[in-house]
Amino acid sequence: RKEVEQDPGPFNVPEGATVAFNCTYSNSASQSFFWYRQDCRKEPKLLMSVYSSGNEDGRFTAQLNRASQYISLLIRDSKLSDSATYLCVVNTGGFKTIFGAGTRLFVKA
Amino acid sequence: EAQVTQNPRYLITVTGKKLTVTCSQNMNHEYMSWYRQDPGLGLRQIYYSMNVEVTDKGDVPEGYKVSRKEKRNFPLILESPSPNQTSLYFCASSAGFSYEQYFGPGTRLTVT
Repeated sequence: RKEVEQDPGPFNVPEGATVAFNCTYSNSASQSFFWYRQDCRKEPKLLMSVYSSGNEDGRFTAQLNRASQYISLLIRDSKLSDSATYLCVVNTGGFKTIFGAGTRLFVKA
Repeated sequence: EAQVTQNPRYLITVTGKKLTVTCSQNMNHEYMSWYRQDPGLGLRQIYYSMNVEVTDKGDVPEGYKVSRKEKRNFPLILESPSPNQTSLYFCASSAGFSYEQYFGPGTRLTVT
């Protein structure tokens, strides 16, 4: 079993749709959690950190469920510019960083 | 401008010819890391460094070496490259382990 697993997609959605991604992790000692965005083999960039209380940034909402060991990302009112690969990232208790393989999103006009 | 730089951006080399990929950050970050990205596998951590002279293995360290003699620089060394090290490499830095990582633009390496 991979330490961090994501549905690879692709997710094909129309503009304006709401789309949700999930990510599960296996190490219960994991300490911090993030969603990154990566465009076409360019460098990943932070989308948002994920906290147990949940957090929102505009159209994006992230949730962490430590009991079930999963992280979610919700994108509302999708834009064409949201088309990218979304990477779930977990920092483990051993100072390592584990990336999920990524979920590809295509937003269509 | 706060940034992470990598050089070279593209490199084609032959099996066994030692090479170094440089990484430098200007944000005074303590934590630095190297990753490789392969299709279908995502980013995998090669080595990381918590501070000067403190380095440790990530998930795929075989065939790679690193050093951290200065806070700003974290070079990746391939002593004897092999074709299975053909990949896209990213360097990253952060203020600490639990903070956002800033990535360099990537180095595309081909070993023939």
